[in-house]
Amino acid sequence: GENVEQHPSTLSVQEGDSAVIKCTYSDSASNYFPWYKQELGKRPQLIIDIRSNVGEKKDQRIAVTLNKTAKHFSLHITETQPEDSAVYFCAASINYGQNFVFGPGTRLSVLP
Amino acid sequence: GAVVSQHPSWVICKSGTSVKIECRSLDFQATTMFWYRQFPKQSLMLMATSNEGSKATYEQGVEKDKFLINHASLTLSTLTVTSAHPEDSSFYICSAPPFGQGRDGYTFGSGTRLTVV
Repeated sequence: GENVEQHPSTLSVQEGDSAVIKCTYSDSASNYFPWYKQELGKRPQLIIDIRSNVGEKKDQRIAVTLNKTAKHFSLHITETQPEDSAVYFCAASINYGQNFVFGPGTRLSVLP
Repeated sequence: GAVVSQHPSWVICKSGTSVKIECRSLDFQATTMFWYRQFPKQSLMLMATSNEGSKATYEQGVEKDKFLINHASLTLSTLTVTSAHPEDSSFYICSAPPFGQGRDGYTFGSGTRLTVV
């Protein structure tokens, strides 16, 4: 089955700097890759997603890149703010509408 | 947007008792519901997939007799933790996949924090 790895497990950046989180997946059939932000004790919130027919997607300060050949995708957050501090999970799905396999998560701390 | 209402948000129960968690889709019909479990500082792990009108599909290692899942209608899926033990203490969360046009993605319930004492 699908296996999703995520690095780093923790990340601290200064406010205003950029943060990059990387994920790799094992199943070449996966074609949908969302990123979720989860604050303590709350539900995951979708922040951005990308499908396998696209190499890059951007939404304001957040961008995701996908390399299908290498089977890895990355989340980029620019101009980080303290409210960006949370746990971020990448996920992969073999089909939009199917269950996700989540990465282990990255705890991002944005220091003021 | 689509909303999944999950109840209760937290529950404390005694060891050996059963706890039922409900997830309701409020403004759409959820033919499928994914149930995840999340231990502290860990990722979300899929436990089972419920499908309206049919038996749930359980992931390897998840005891179907312990975690009873029922998807009796297009708007309600329930997870019952039977004979709960302290090791079952966790954050349980449901998720409905996108359905139909206009929905902007998967919808998560707000989660249930279960503590078994």
